[in-house]
Amino acid sequence: NAGVTQTPKFQVLKTGQSMTLQCAQDMNHNSMYWYRQDPGMGLRLIYYSASEGTTDKGEVPNGYNVSRLNKREFSLRLESAAPSQTSVYFCASTPGGHRTAAFFGQGTRLTVV
Amino acid sequence: AQSVTQPDIHITVSEGASLELRCNYSYGATPYLFWYVQSPGQGLQLLLKYFSGDTLVQGIKGFEAEFKRSQSSFNLRKPSVHWSDAAEYFCAVALNTGFQKLVFGTGTRLLVSP
Repeated sequence: NAGVTQTPKFQVLKTGQSMTLQCAQDMNHNSMYWYRQDPGMGLRLIYYSASEGTTDKGEVPNGYNVSRLNKREFSLRLESAAPSQTSVYFCASTPGGHRTAAFFGQGTRLTVV
Repeated sequence: AQSVTQPDIHITVSEGASLELRCNYSYGATPYLFWYVQSPGQGLQLLLKYFSGDTLVQGIKGFEAEFKRSQSSFNLRKPSVHWSDAAEYFCAVALNTGFQKLVFGTGTRLLVSP
């Protein structure tokens, strides 16, 4: 029972390079989310997808794009990486509806040099 | 906009001692409230949640939390801490919608001394 799976687990990019972080959940959840975690700042929402076919900006969307490929998969793309995007990225999913809790992946540690 | 405050960045507790981690939120209505734990290099694991009803909620690993509306607080407690509880703890709130946009506190790192 994998839950939420993120790939890769670690990545080093040069400034200006692009990459896509992958996320897949096998729980048939409707909603998916991307957060970033920075020291002393907790987790901040980048983008979310309330349901398949929809995506919306969160608190810190600049420099990112997302794709809800299907119900299972939600990818996060950095078109031109910047050192400020060095962070740990977490994908999460929720079943949808009220009174539910989020399930998180193990995270992707990204370093931009 | 809603916000979550965890005033303690670090807390050190002796093994076997009791623990209380503080969380205050700012929101116009009663949000959904959560505590998550993050062990080093790991993702976040849900400890407990509050949606409505009984203000004292029980979670996994012997943790509990109490919702106090008058104080806008949702403090996490454990009567006897184990060395394996050393981790970072996050309080979070979510709007009462059909999905969850979590707003997190900045976290409290718990250190357990022998």
